[in-house]
Amino acid sequence: DAKTTQPPSMDCAEGRAANLPCNHSTISGNEYVYWYRQIHSQGPQYIIHGLKNNETNEMASLIITEDRKSSTLILPHATLRDTAVYYCIVRVATNTNAGKSTFGDGTTLTVKP
Amino acid sequence: SAVISQKPSRDICQRGTSLTIQCQVDSQVTMMFWYRQQPGQSLTLIATANQGSEATYESGFVIDKFPISRPNLTFSTLTVSNMSPEDSSIYLCSVGTGGNSPLHFGNGTRLTVT
Repeated sequence: DAKTTQPPSMDCAEGRAANLPCNHSTISGNEYVYWYRQIHSQGPQYIIHGLKNNETNEMASLIITEDRKSSTLILPHATLRDTAVYYCIVRVATNTNAGKSTFGDGTTLTVKP
Repeated sequence: SAVISQKPSRDICQRGTSLTIQCQVDSQVTMMFWYRQQPGQSLTLIATANQGSEATYESGFVIDKFPISRPNLTFSTLTVSNMSPEDSSIYLCSVGTGGNSPLHFGNGTRLTVT
């Protein structure tokens, strides 16, 4: 799996957009970008994923650069409940055990009132 | 997405004993993985649970310490053997249905070894 680099921590004001960056400069052509978050004492929660096109769902938007070497997760209107550790992961799409995910240290997002 | 149930949710165990953690999924899944999360740390992959065959362990993890079973496509167990305080962690089950579908996680088992 490609290594990802994320800032260790970020702050965001409640109601504002939170933009979380991730660098994955060694990503391979068949690797997808996945984002998860972990709220204290819970298992990681899947947020969104993409290959090369920008993606949006009810939780967030994912912007992937054209060269695919970095991406940004956008929470459009952050709330206090979005305070969590956010993980960016890259892995291949497969039906085999190569689909395992390697977690880095993530970004601790703190949403402040 | 699949509903993943882990049992027990937490336990306090004495050193030298063993604990078996169960992971039950409400639908058949292709992939099952076991992770460990030590206090204040990120998740570390222990092994891939292979249905009908021996698990595939990551570097630093061995079968004698963390035996894993996966008898079918909806169930797996992880045993933490001969526990020491250093085994105090959250143990998480993760499942996937293959392709580019995301992995999903249970809420984990919080283990404290005294």
